[in-house]
Amino acid sequence: DAKTTQPPSMDCAEGRAANLPCNHSTISGNEYVYWYRQIHSQGPQYIIHGLKNNETNEMASLIITEDRKSSTLILPHATLRDTAVYYCIVRAQNSNSGYALNFGKGTSLLVTP
Amino acid sequence: DAGVTQSPTHLIKTRGQQVTLRCSPISGHKSVSWYQQVLGQGPQFIFQYYEKEERGRGNFPDRFSARQFPNYSSELNVNALLLGDSALYLCASSLTGTGIYKGEKLFFGSGTQLSVL
Repeated sequence: DAKTTQPPSMDCAEGRAANLPCNHSTISGNEYVYWYRQIHSQGPQYIIHGLKNNETNEMASLIITEDRKSSTLILPHATLRDTAVYYCIVRAQNSNSGYALNFGKGTSLLVTP
Repeated sequence: DAGVTQSPTHLIKTRGQQVTLRCSPISGHKSVSWYQQVLGQGPQFIFQYYEKEERGRGNFPDRFSARQFPNYSSELNVNALLLGDSALYLCASSLTGTGIYKGEKLFFGSGTQLSVL
């Protein structure tokens, strides 16, 4: 089963950049890497996704290594509202569905004042 | 536009009972997926439906079933409830059924919190 490895927790000071790493060494060549976040008791919120190139949107930047075995999500100016669990996601292999996402356990990011 | 809506938001059942959870996708979205999230874990894939047909199933027992209606809304049914079925059940919608291979985004609802006593 293709899976991801993330640190269980990270801290970041408000206003600083938060850099969240993820290893996905078994990812297939045509599969995207997705990042979602989940604030307690709410549904996961889409952040960004990418295939090979680095991506940026209004929420974050995604840096993918050339071999695609790892990526980093960057929140450029973290705020207290960015405190959440961040999931780096690839497709789960034990299903024929393109929506069988393997969430893993994620990284719990705490942004402090 | 409204996002993905799920009902009810909370539900309490006893062991052995049956439960039906409902989901309305974003307007225009034709694919619905269901996920189960046990406390402290990431969501686990249960089903995906596209155009009323099952397109994928996760590693869940036959007590779990689902269907999608002509208006693309969906129901998740769980029979013979066990204590271990207590979880947050999440519904996600997407525009088409192409999934992660085409970089399609899933949009999640806030979920139904099911407690089995």
